[in-house]
Amino acid sequence: AQKVTQAQTEISVVEKEDVTLDCVYETRDTTYYLFWYKQPPSGELVFLIRRNSFDEQNEISGRYSWNFQKSTSSFNFTITASQVVDSAVYFCALRAMNTGFQKLVFGTGTRLLVSP
Amino acid sequence: DADVTQTPRNRITKTGKRIMLECSQTKGHDRMYWYRQDPGLGLRLIYYSFDVKDINKGEISDGYSVSRQAQAKFSLSLESAIPNQTALYFCATSDFGEQFFGPGTRLTVL
Repeated sequence: AQKVTQAQTEISVVEKEDVTLDCVYETRDTTYYLFWYKQPPSGELVFLIRRNSFDEQNEISGRYSWNFQKSTSSFNFTITASQVVDSAVYFCALRAMNTGFQKLVFGTGTRLLVSP
Repeated sequence: DADVTQTPRNRITKTGKRIMLECSQTKGHDRMYWYRQDPGLGLRLIYYSFDVKDINKGEISDGYSVSRQAQAKFSLSLESAIPNQTALYFCATSDFGEQFFGPGTRLTVL
């Protein structure tokens, strides 16, 4: 079975602080994808990143960076110098590829509040 | 124009009414999905379809039905709405990679 755990329900920071959102996943499949989505207060789901299980390189995109570690089954997301516009719910998701229907399994989300 | 559209965006209805939520996409994807989002539970899969003739139940399909009218259209129906179906509903599409989501339909069942 596949599972994604986002243990942080809500995080509050002040603008310009760095913040890391944790994601721990479980799967027995050797081939899988990991994703992060952002849900701003307006409600839509915005795709941020996809990472496959064979690529453990960290990725940086502007103020966003992702740390993928297979040894700890984690795919953490860091926002550097947070801004008020980063306030949103962030979802981590897993899609296992080896068996059956490759459904997307979501974590329960982490609400990030960035105050001025 | 948005790649994945949902109508209506908001709907308030009464217990027992039949409701249809519609989804259209212009991304040319074969795979389409319906999810519901409840506070603290993340997104849960209701139904998914890999093509017009292939429709499958997700983890919470009871009380829902779907219709895949064309590659680009996937509708979700609540035959007899009940209050615990009050939620935010998302349609999504994909090829073999990430899923792209519509803007969501906020449904309230009184």
